[in-house]
Amino acid sequence: KNEVEQSPQNLTAQEGEFITINCSYSVGISALHWLQQHPGGGIVSLFMLSSGKKKHGRLIATINIQEKHSSLHITASHPRDSAVYICAVRSMGGGSNYKLTFGKGTLLTVNP
Amino acid sequence: GAVVSQHPSRVICKSGTSVKIECRSLDFQATTMFWYRQFPKQSLMLMATSNEGSKATYEQGVEKDKFLINHASLTLSTLTVTSAHPEDSSFYICSANGRQGPSYEQYFGPGTRLTVT
Repeated sequence: KNEVEQSPQNLTAQEGEFITINCSYSVGISALHWLQQHPGGGIVSLFMLSSGKKKHGRLIATINIQEKHSSLHITASHPRDSAVYICAVRSMGGGSNYKLTFGKGTLLTVNP
Repeated sequence: GAVVSQHPSRVICKSGTSVKIECRSLDFQATTMFWYRQFPKQSLMLMATSNEGSKATYEQGVEKDKFLINHASLTLSTLTVTSAHPEDSSFYICSANGRQGPSYEQYFGPGTRLTVT
């Protein structure tokens, strides 16, 4: 069983729909990242959070440490949001040598 | 935000040759850089952790003599794939740790697609 599980694996939505992607993890973490990977391959970090909720534009990320669960929401989805969304958890411990463990990603396709 | 560049973005080489990939942090100093590999439709897999001025720490199953990592400065790390084989064809991504207040944030490079023929 993966330490980081994402659902769904694939998601197709119509433009304007509200989207939720879920991430569950089984290990202790110091932080959780949500990343976006476009077809060209480059990765953009959307959020890093260790508690509560963060919002950036149409994107909202929440995390529940007790339940070991995080969600990424996209409001008013748009075709340009089509990408792979990856959840990654940061190992415990401070310093710069921490490791990230990645989920397999959720492929989101938003149709016009 | 912080920027990490990789060069080249795409490379095709013949089997048996060596390929060097550069990873640079453009506007911050990175004491730690990470190298990942991603096969099609799979997740990123950490290959090694590289600290400036010291030897890289390789993950289990990654051959250090095949994937040479050099982190000579706080802004540059290189990955050399030696004696490349077709099975080394993959997407290689680096990331660099930069300070964000009291903690560190990882910034990712755009990746290098390696094709070995």
